[in-house]
Amino acid sequence: DQQVKQNSPSLSVQEGRISILNCDYTNSMFDYFLWYKKYPAEGPTFLISISSIKDKNEDGRFTVFLNKSAKHLSLHIVPSQPGDSAVYFCAARDSGNTPLVFGKGTRLSVIA
Amino acid sequence: GAGVSQSPSNKVTEKGKDVELRCDPISGHTALYWYRQSLGQGLEFLIYFQGNSAPDKSGLPSDRFSAERTGGSVSTLTIQRTQQEDSAVYLCASSLQDGGNQPQHFGDGTRLSIL
Repeated sequence: DQQVKQNSPSLSVQEGRISILNCDYTNSMFDYFLWYKKYPAEGPTFLISISSIKDKNEDGRFTVFLNKSAKHLSLHIVPSQPGDSAVYFCAARDSGNTPLVFGKGTRLSVIA
Repeated sequence: GAGVSQSPSNKVTEKGKDVELRCDPISGHTALYWYRQSLGQGLEFLIYFQGNSAPDKSGLPSDRFSAERTGGSVSTLTIQRTQQEDSAVYLCASSLQDGGNQPQHFGDGTRLSIL
């Protein structure tokens, strides 16, 4: 039973446009959500996070939106750049420093 | 370097052999985690160390898997009598433990291939 789901295995976007990556979760106890970016042969790199008490967090070109009632979060990248091409993982946890629960990832390709 | 360091980066071994994977967390990080990523899958939690508390071993897939963390720093993940299904990338992460929301920072992983 997957508690964190990324239903789009891949996404292609033109350079300069907005990339929107989606994530759904089922566990209502999750209170901290993170997005990681992963290049081949490297470990995941932390991008941005959001606490359940917020509905939006922005860091430069990256914005994460949280809709608790829908148990849905999304990552917006604008403008998208070719260097953003990677696999993006959504992750969540329920409290403290407990282990993260990951989605299966979405492969983003930004086309020049 | 200042990041999480894992060794070896690649390991190829025969079925039935034991393997040891090493993780050096970021200095000062008291929480340490092991995950693995099988082909086409997300990251799967294995084991978690938090300060001096007993580790959370709930993610270990079988009793062939064990891990230690010595001196609150370096950790070793051991897989005994390896099987082909153990082939995966094993990732280590660490984080601060200050009661707030702190992201986990990952190493580049060990790619384990069982022949």
